[in-house]
Amino acid sequence: GNSVTQMEGPVTLSEEAFLTINCTYTATGYPSLFWYVQYPGEGLQLLLKATKADDKGSNKGFEATYRKETTSFHLEKGSVQVSDSAVYFCALSEGRNTPLVFGKGTRLSVIA
Amino acid sequence: SAVISQKPSRDICQRGTSLTIQCQVDSQVTMMFWYRQQPGQSLTLIATANQGSEATYESGFVIDKFPISRPNLTFSTLTVSNMSPEDSSIYLCSVEGPYRGGYTFGSGTRLTVV
Repeated sequence: GNSVTQMEGPVTLSEEAFLTINCTYTATGYPSLFWYVQYPGEGLQLLLKATKADDKGSNKGFEATYRKETTSFHLEKGSVQVSDSAVYFCALSEGRNTPLVFGKGTRLSVIA
Repeated sequence: SAVISQKPSRDICQRGTSLTIQCQVDSQVTMMFWYRQQPGQSLTLIATANQGSEATYESGFVIDKFPISRPNLTFSTLTVSNMSPEDSSIYLCSVEGPYRGGYTFGSGTRLTVV
């Protein structure tokens, strides 16, 4: 079946550090890939997505590129802020009318 | 864009009782998805609800414990039955949209069973 594997947390970084959160997937077809973010005490928000190979999703300074050859969708940000502290979930969808499959989540803490 | 109103936002319930969670979507959608997020964990799919048919449950979840209704294309309920402390979680509904290939989530119901 489909699955998503993301790096274990927690990750603690200093402000302005470079962030990478690794995500790899297993899927039978050609899934769409997503990063969702959950800020403390808040609901789940879409951060970015990519629907086909070599697509790059970007939002709020975060980027992730759909790499079919390595089945990966790593999240990166060049300079993190304290306000980026949250739990980040990588997820995939096989297509219309199918649910998201989530990774375990990675907790990021950014300290000033 | 699709907006989901989920109620209640939180509740504290006695063991052995049941709680019904409602999700109202501001547009018609084919599928609605129900997830559970246990403390400190990721989201696990409970079931997929299609209007006019029985919900499809994932392994480990059964209809007697988590009955779902889907009376029309904008509304669904999930009931957590005969609750125990192990049911303490956040429950979320989700739909596809607002754009193709995206998903919107309700704000979640934080359930504590005592």
